[in-house]
Amino acid sequence: GAVVSQHPSRVICKSGTSVKIECRSLDFQATTMFWYRQFPKQSLMLMATSNEGSKATYEQGVEKDKFLINHASLTLSTLTVTSAHPEDSSFYICSAPPGDRPHTDTQYFGPGTRLTVL
Amino acid sequence: DQQVKQNSPSLSVQEGRISILNCDYTNSMFDYFLWYKKYPAEGPTFLISISSIKDKNEDGRFTVFLNKSAKHLSLHIVPSQPGDSAVYFCAASRYKWGNEKLTFGTGTRLTIIP
Repeated sequence: GAVVSQHPSRVICKSGTSVKIECRSLDFQATTMFWYRQFPKQSLMLMATSNEGSKATYEQGVEKDKFLINHASLTLSTLTVTSAHPEDSSFYICSAPPGDRPHTDTQYFGPGTRLTVL
Repeated sequence: DQQVKQNSPSLSVQEGRISILNCDYTNSMFDYFLWYKKYPAEGPTFLISISSIKDKNEDGRFTVFLNKSAKHLSLHIVPSQPGDSAVYFCAASRYKWGNEKLTFGTGTRLTIIP
């Protein structure tokens, strides 16, 4: 099956710093990638839809200036948490449907990145 | 506004018996439903899906039932195995396309007792 990787798997940073999380599709091209956030014991909440070659689409309530998304190639999307604060501590997960099969009925999820802001 | 709800945060089932996980939704625009299994610190893994034109879909030990009039779906696992212990999320989308965004439920932690 299709594989999606994320890097890093875990990051701890100081308040006020910026953190970049990478999401890669390893064996397929993805014109669309999704970024989710999961707080402890809560649901996965969609943050934004990343589109290759164009601007990301953000969900209501998500600050686009704080969560910068770049989808520069068909295999890589990055999420940068700018000026991170402790309330940004969460589990961030990306997903992608295989671009060569855009009408496939599932998305493939990355393993997630645990962000802890001190 | 939680459009997809899983009212049971946890469920314990004896090995070999049937596990039934429930999910309710409020948005009538949802047309496609999926179940995912998730282990801690990992991404969700797709299990099974169902389109709104069907009321049942079966794949091995997993069966999903959809009651569209009640806006309710359930996942049946039979027989339950220890490896099934995980958190299960139901998800919904407007269309049956992988590039359509998903709305997730709150999850149910399933524990299979040996």
